[in-house]
Amino acid sequence: GENVEQHPSTLSVQEGDSAVIKCTYSDSASNYFPWYKQELGKRPQLIIDIRSNVGEKKDQRIAVTLNKTAKHFSLHITETQPEDSAVYFCAATINQGGKLIFGQGTELSVKP
Amino acid sequence: GAVVSQHPSRVICKSGTSVKIECRSLDFQATTMFWYRQFPKQSLMLMATSNEGSKATYEQGVEKDKFLINHASLTLSTLTVTSAHPEDSSFYICSATTGDFLYGYTFGSGTRLTVV
Repeated sequence: GENVEQHPSTLSVQEGDSAVIKCTYSDSASNYFPWYKQELGKRPQLIIDIRSNVGEKKDQRIAVTLNKTAKHFSLHITETQPEDSAVYFCAATINQGGKLIFGQGTELSVKP
Repeated sequence: GAVVSQHPSRVICKSGTSVKIECRSLDFQATTMFWYRQFPKQSLMLMATSNEGSKATYEQGVEKDKFLINHASLTLSTLTVTSAHPEDSSFYICSATTGDFLYGYTFGSGTRLTVV
């Protein structure tokens, strides 16, 4: 079945440093890859997404890269701030609107 | 933007009773609704997918007779946890999409279920 693997499970960085979270997916038909930030007890918030016809997408301090051949995608956060501390999830789906499968999550801690 | 209202936000029930969770799309028609369960410090695990007017499709290992899903209209989907047990205690969250994916995946605010 579909599977999304996410690493690392925890990540601690100093304020101002960059953070990178990596995900791999199993289904070569997957073509939509969103990233979510979730605070404790809250709903996931979409922070960036990428479709399979694009290799990279950037939005201010956040970027996502996709390697379809290797079936992996990564989230890059630059100039991290304490308020970036949260749990981040990658996800993948076959077709927009199809079922969304989540990675295991990464707990990011940004130390001031 | 699109909003999905989920109720209740928290519920405590006795073991053996049933609990119904509602998700309503307030300003769009939710063609498809997804239901997830999230245990503490774990990921969102997809339980089932429902399309308006059709029977839900359950993920492997999810008991369809225990987790009843109804998606009778384009704005309302319900998840009923029947004969709840303490191991069913979890955070349940819905996500809705439109057929044209106009609003992406819109998540409800989640329901914290505690079975005592």
